[in-house]
Order: sequence, then C-alpha cells, then structure tokens
Amino acid sequence: QVQLQESGPGLVKPSGTLSLTCTVSGDSLSNYYWTWIRQPPGKGLEWIGYVYDSGRTSYNPSLKSRVTMSIDTSKSQFSLKLSSVTPADTAVYYCAREILAGYYNGEWGSWGQGALVTVPS
Amino acid sequence: QSVLTQPPSASGTPGQRVTISCSGGSSNIGRNTVNWYQQFPGMAPKLLMYRDGQRPSGVPDRFSGSKSGNSASLAISGLQSEDEADYFCAAWDDSMAGVVFGGGTQLIVL
Repeated sequence: QVQLQESGPGLVKPSGTLSLTCTVSGDSLSNYYWTWIRQPPGKGLEWIGYVYDSGRTSYNPSLKSRVTMSIDTSKSQFSLKLSSVTPADTAVYYCAREILAGYYNGEWGSWGQGALVTVPS
Repeated sequence: QSVLTQPPSASGTPGQRVTISCSGGSSNIGRNTVNWYQQFPGMAPKLLMYRDGQRPSGVPDRFSGSKSGNSASLAISGLQSEDEADYFCAAWDDSMAGVVFGGGTQLIVL
C-alpha cells in the first residue's frame, strides 16, 4: 500500500520560498500523477497542481507565477516550491496520488498526513 | 469564494437520510465527473466517492452519489454518529484546467 509523507520547514518568512517534499513508499512514482493540495486553517481545500512522472506539470492559474513542482523518481520524492509567500499562504499542505495510473481526475485515494506551514505577519 | 457551491452545514439524527448538494457550472460538473471527500478534524481528506457515484473499496453502501446537469449530490442513509465530518465535492474544470472544490459542508449528527 502506497504511503506519502510531507516534510519541510513549518515556518517560512514573508517574501521567502516555501519548500516541501513528499516522500513516497510502497510503490513506484512511475505512471502516476502526483498532486499538491492546501487547506488554510479552518477553511476549504485548494488545488495547487500536479507533476507527472515525466516531469510534466500543471498549476492552479492563481498560483502559477509562484509555483514550481518537480519529481525525482530515483529518490521516490516529488517537491513543491512556492515563492514570495505571504501570511495568506499559511495552510496545511497535502501531497496526494490518483487512484489510477496514467489518469488525472482529482480522484486522490492516497494522501500524506499534511504539513502545516506558517507564514507570520 | 469556491467555484463549486455547497451548503456550509447539514444535520440529521441517527438513522436518517441526509443529502449534501454541490452546484457548479458547464465547465466543471456539467462536463466532468464529481468526486467527494470526507474529512475529520486534524486528518487528511479521504476519497469517499469518485466518478459521480463510485465507492472506493471500504466505503459503506450507505453512501451514494449522483449527478444531474451542473449539480451533484452526496446522500448518506442510515446516518451514524461517526459520519459527523466535513464533506467536500471536487471536479475538473475545463476553463481553469485544474481541479476545483466546493467550500465544504459540515455534517452534524444530532
């Protein structure tokens, strides 16, 4: 059974860059889309984007200018970088995987436990 | 402001049937399938329903999903106290070229 685990600094200074890594165990990264989703405290979910095993990416247009995602299949990891952060970027950041290989429809059957990243005001 | 619209809360008593609605538009629900997520406090969301009405393995058949036009619904029959959670709908949006969510519905079991 695939497992995902987010890691990275829990505190990022305003105007800095948020960097998170999702480490995958129990399965290969190949042929799957890997997604980042965030949830501000007490609020709803926001799709950040995905990276495919080939390195192809797709980002939320509202975040596109600040987001970079990458994947390292040899390390079983994929990463998120969000630049020029503000307090509005404070959220729990989740990594997730689709239930089916080679298919993208927001059907995330596997999730990390989430990583809270705070940007102080 | 979420692209998909859900009621902020819903409630029911044990044993009742409760329905949660999710309203969208022609670029999302109208053209693409809807997925539903269940989330307990402090936990990651869990896929509850996919492709409008398909249940992942392990999800009780008390949960069902449907879609008509630009709207979708999640129904929970035989409501149980452990169903008290937040529920989110999601769908691919062709205009945004990404996944959009509803704002979430807090289900309270009275």
